[in-house]
Parts: sequence; structure tokens; C-alpha cells
Amino acid sequence: AQKITQTQPGMFVQEKEAVTLDCTYDTSDPSYGLFWYKQPSSGEMIFLIYQGSYDQQNATEGRYSLNFQKARKSANLVISASQLGDSAMYFCAMSQYYNTDKLIFGTGTRLQVFP
Amino acid sequence: KAGVTQTPRYLIKTRGQQVTLSCSPISGHRSVSWYQQTPGQGLQFLFEYFSETQRNKGNFPGRFSGRQFSNSRSEMNVSTLELGDSALYLCASSLASAYSYEQYFGPGTRLTVT
Repeated sequence: AQKITQTQPGMFVQEKEAVTLDCTYDTSDPSYGLFWYKQPSSGEMIFLIYQGSYDQQNATEGRYSLNFQKARKSANLVISASQLGDSAMYFCAMSQYYNTDKLIFGTGTRLQVFP
Repeated sequence: KAGVTQTPRYLIKTRGQQVTLSCSPISGHRSVSWYQQTPGQGLQFLFEYFSETQRNKGNFPGRFSGRQFSNSRSEMNVSTLELGDSALYLCASSLASAYSYEQYFGPGTRLTVT
């Protein structure tokens, strides 16, 4: 079975600073995908970034990067130059490598960006 | 391109009733997944439909069912509602191709069971 653990219920960061949101995972599958989604107060989940278990390099998408450490089974999200609009819930999720339409989510981290 | 739409957005039902929620995926998307989000259990996968067939199923009782139509629109049904079914129900669609892994979520249907 797959499991995602997010140990930070809440994080604060000042505008323009970088912040790291932690995510560890557990799976017996050698092939899997790791995702980060953002959920603003409106409720809609927004895809941020994806990392496949076979990808050698860390994924990056604009201000988002995924710090993938396979041996430690961690997939931390780094947001650079935080903006006020980044305040939201952030969910780490995983799937089987060839079955990315079934996501297992962590409990989420609430990020608050202050001026 | 229109996003994923879900109707209704809000719903109040009484215990024992049944409810049907609807999801229209992004045009061209063939896969529709459903998730339940509650404060206690978090985000949980319900099921996924692809080409009118249930391809994945989560760990929910049989009261939760779904279907997909030939135009990829999907419905989920919850029968004999319980108070614990109060939740935000999210629908997501995807291309379901080998090189596409992103799911696009709708705004959700907030169901309240009294």
C-alpha cells in the first residue's frame, strides 16, 4: 500500500522568502509518481509539479521545485520567492507510475505568507 | 478551454436520502476520478472511470457508486446517506495518456447531510 506523510500542519513564511514543505512517502512499488497540489480557500485543487520515480533530475516548474531524495523517500516542495497568493493548503500525493489517475494524498500543510 | 465543471455546487440532504452529483470533464479528457474530502479523513480516492468503465476503485462502501457516459461526463451516487457523508466531493479529469499525468480538478460539490 502507498502512504504519504506530511508532518507540518502549518507553516509561516515572509513574502519573497523561500519555504520548504515536507513530504515523505512509503511504497513497495519500484515505479511511482509524486505530485504536489495547491488548494486555495476556494476549494479547487491546482496541480503544481510532478516527479516520476525514474526521473534523475529534480522537477521544476517556475517558482516550484521538488527536492526528490529517493533513498530517504522524501519529496519536499520548495517554493522560492513566496507571494501572498501562495497562502493555501498544499497536498503531497503519489500514484502508481502507470496509473496516475488514482492519487493517494497526504494530510496537507497550510502555508501562510505574511507581508 | 472550459475547465472541469461540477453540479450542483452545494447540496443539503437528509439522512437516508440519496444524492447524485455530476461532473463534466475538460473536452477531450477521457478519465474522470472522484475524491471525497473531509476534515477528519482528508482527501480519499473514491473511483475512476475511463471509457465508461470503472478502472480504479477506492475503499468505500457500496453505497457509493458512479458511472460515466459516452461523452465522458460522469455521475456519482450516494444512497442511504449518513451524517459522515458530509464532505466536499471533488471530480478530476485527465487525458489518461502515457505522457500526461496531470489531473484537473473541478470546484467541488459541498454536500451536507442533516
